[in-house]
Amino acid sequence: NAGVTQTPKFQVLKTGQSMTLQCAQDMNHEYMSWYRQDPGMGLRLIHYSVGAGITDQGEVPNGYNVSRSTTEDFPLRLLSAAPSQTSVYFCASSYDRKNTEAFFGQGTRLTVV
Amino acid sequence: TQLLEQSPQFLSIQEGENLTVYCNSSSVFSSLQWYRQEPGEGPVLLVTVVTGGEVKKLKRLTFQFGDARKDSSLHITAAQTGDTGLYLCAGATAAGNKLTFGGGTRVLVKP
Repeated sequence: NAGVTQTPKFQVLKTGQSMTLQCAQDMNHEYMSWYRQDPGMGLRLIHYSVGAGITDQGEVPNGYNVSRSTTEDFPLRLLSAAPSQTSVYFCASSYDRKNTEAFFGQGTRLTVV
Repeated sequence: TQLLEQSPQFLSIQEGENLTVYCNSSSVFSSLQWYRQEPGEGPVLLVTVVTGGEVKKLKRLTFQFGDARKDSSLHITAAQTGDTGLYLCAGATAAGNKLTFGGGTRVLVKP
């Protein structure tokens, strides 16, 4: 059972570079979301999607883009990386708006130098 | 913006002791979830509480949802070293489209 798969697990970027964090789920969940986790701050919502073709901003969306062309995939794009984006990123999926229990990937640790 | 505050931020106890973690908000949530996260891993769901006043037990863990659905607590009885981890609470809105997470409580159970 793959669940939620994130790639890569680790990444180092130079300031100004762009990259895409990949996220895929095989549970046919409607909801997918991206969080960042910083020390002492829990998980903060970046962007989320309630279904294919629909995305919306979360608490900290600046500097990130997302798209949801299929139910399975929800990539997160960093347009021009900044040191403030150094964090651990988690992708999560949930069945639908009634069953919001989230299943998380293993995370991507991103360092921007 | 709905906020969830967890306390304490860090808890260090000896094996066999009891502990309680609190999750408080000024907002009402339709449901509240508790997760545990271990180093290098994503959070894993422990329990969901949906009814005001609800109490759920999971072996040595007891979860309570406040009557007004604004707060929750997690109580661990006779903690074991395997209970070490980061505990996160998360509230779901009535719309059900996103979760708000608390800042987490780091629990260390020493042998």
